[in-house]
Amino acid sequence: QVQLVQSGSELKKPGASVKVSCKASGYSFNKHGMTWVRQAPGQGLEWLGWINTDSGNPTYAQGFTGRFVFSLDTSVSTAYLEIRSLQTEDTAVYYCAREPITLDYWGQGTLVIVSS
Amino acid sequence: QSALTQPPSASGSPGQSVTISCTGTSSDVGAHNYVSWYQQHPGKAPKLMIYEVNQRPSGVPDRFSGSKSGNTASLTVSGLQAEDEADYYCYANAGGNIWVFGGGTKLTVL
Repeated sequence: QVQLVQSGSELKKPGASVKVSCKASGYSFNKHGMTWVRQAPGQGLEWLGWINTDSGNPTYAQGFTGRFVFSLDTSVSTAYLEIRSLQTEDTAVYYCAREPITLDYWGQGTLVIVSS
Repeated sequence: QSALTQPPSASGSPGQSVTISCTGTSSDVGAHNYVSWYQQHPGKAPKLMIYEVNQRPSGVPDRFSGSKSGNTASLTVSGLQAEDEADYYCYANAGGNIWVFGGGTKLTVL
């Protein structure tokens, strides 16, 4: 069965970096893109972008270029979201989801807290 | 890209029907049939309920249905049940490789 398993919660200080992982299983990793979504406390879902798992080409939403970086390790069927120069406003749950068109499977979410 | 517009809240009594709208533009919702809907219970990951405007994934009750007219997509929940109380989000292609969510609607079962 398809599963996306994300790394655990993180507590970081402003200015630090964090790397969230999303390990896929139960399907051919390079046949489906991976989308990243964030949800700030009490807020709605926000599309961060997606990465083509075949070509490695990332697409970022407006406002998420530069500090947000998508990457892959296809040898272990894992997608990564790195956030650099963390700001307190980056505090949120970050989700990976399979496919950009229809988000048919989701990871369990990773809580990232940015606090001094 | 701007978020799609959803009403912040909707409600209905058990057994009733409720419809949640998702309004976009001719560049996103109105441009194609890549509109999907997601249900999210508190503290849980979202779950796909409808894809390509009106298609239901295996396992989703047929009480959930989707439609679209022009730049507005809709999700209808018929025969409301207590477990339908959740947040609902629409999602659509905004052109090219860009996608966008709606702001979300909190559905309350009275």
